[in-house]
Amino acid sequence: NAGVTQTPKFRILKIGQSMTLQCTQDMNHNYMYWYRQDPGMGLKLIYYSVGAGITDKGEVPNGYNVSRSTTEDFPLRLELAAPSQTSVYFCASSYQGLNSPLHFGNGTRLTVT
Amino acid sequence: AQSVTQPDIHITVSEGASLELRCNYSYGATPYLFWYVQSPGQGLQLLLKYFSGDTLVQGIKGFEAEFKRSQSSFNLRKPSVHWSDAAEYFCAVGFSGGYNKLIFGAGTRLAVHP
Repeated sequence: NAGVTQTPKFRILKIGQSMTLQCTQDMNHNYMYWYRQDPGMGLKLIYYSVGAGITDKGEVPNGYNVSRSTTEDFPLRLELAAPSQTSVYFCASSYQGLNSPLHFGNGTRLTVT
Repeated sequence: AQSVTQPDIHITVSEGASLELRCNYSYGATPYLFWYVQSPGQGLQLLLKYFSGDTLVQGIKGFEAEFKRSQSSFNLRKPSVHWSDAAEYFCAVGFSGGYNKLIFGAGTRLAVHP
């Protein structure tokens, strides 16, 4: 009963490094999302996908890229890490978008120094 | 522009006391409304949701919320708080019109005194 799995849980990057945050879900959900959570700011949508091969920008997409080659996986790529990307990142999935609840992973805490 | 406001950043209540967490939104039509809870080090879990119909909705863990269209509010309530309810609570509002996203409020952190 895995649900949404995110790896890694923690990561420290130096400025300019790149990394991929992994997200996989085993619920056969069509919709997947990446959010970042900053203290006192709630969650901001970075990118989302409504199905394999389809992705779109959210509220704060700059500095990130995504792909969705399978229904299960939705990796988030940081190409040139910046201190402003220090945050907690959450992946989520849902069956039908707005009219179904989001299932969240446990998050990845990223620090860029 | 669409927005979600949770006016209270931090609330402290005594165990057994009643609780009300406020949420207001700005939108021209009736949106989809949600409350999520986040325990430390965890992702968010859905407490309850409102799409249409009865404006008082029941959720898990004894929570309920009431949609008031005239006030553009969706406040979360619980009659008697338990120590395990200490967490951060997020109101989220879904806006339709082809953009499948939720806008989250900044959250209210709840502390429970024994």
